[in-house]
Amino acid sequence: DAGVIQSPRHEVTEMGQEVTLRCKPISGHDYLFWYRQTMMRGLELLIYFNNNVPIDDSGMPEDRFSAKMPNASFSTLKIQPSEPRDSAVYFCASSPTANTEAFFGQGTRLTVV
Amino acid sequence: EDQVTQSPEALRLQEGESSSLNCSYTVSGLRGLFWYRQDPGKGPEFLFTLYSAGEEKEKERLKATLTKKESFLHITAPKPEDSATYLCAVQPPTLGRLYFGRGTQLTVWP
Repeated sequence: DAGVIQSPRHEVTEMGQEVTLRCKPISGHDYLFWYRQTMMRGLELLIYFNNNVPIDDSGMPEDRFSAKMPNASFSTLKIQPSEPRDSAVYFCASSPTANTEAFFGQGTRLTVV
Repeated sequence: EDQVTQSPEALRLQEGESSSLNCSYTVSGLRGLFWYRQDPGKGPEFLFTLYSAGEEKEKERLKATLTKKESFLHITAPKPEDSATYLCAVQPPTLGRLYFGRGTQLTVWP
């Protein structure tokens, strides 16, 4: 398996634009996680899914953020409208069960100018 | 309120100089404690999972241990390729959610 695949690797956008980040989890993994990493706050969980269903979205900072998982092999994280403070590295991770290790993608570095 | 605190924030070691990284946590009812390694520009890479106090795991020059309030990552005779940021994460009783520490940035110079 190629591991967790995220796209794009880098995204630069202007404030107010819509941004969509994509993730393909490892096949057979039932859990998918979206994290955000910044120097100030470290690695924070935004939302996670179990069998394509959102379980905990308490980490989503604002209504500008939304995430979907239409099927077991694809998830998106959307920011609309984007703001400069959203600049961070966004990671997607997946795991086979709830209490085993998560495998991370390479991340998407988002810069909002 | 920080659930996980890692120390030191940064550590510089000479090649072959053994040391330990600390991860202390305040989560009660811990389900698991995870150690990850993160290289610049990459996602965290899983190293170990510890589930109960007294448990130990080893991998090459790394050994992780767990007590009721903290975990240590011992690095024996490190090499420059061990340079990375080491992240600790704890899983509370709520399944799925992980709380990460800020990490320890380790630099091993030849």
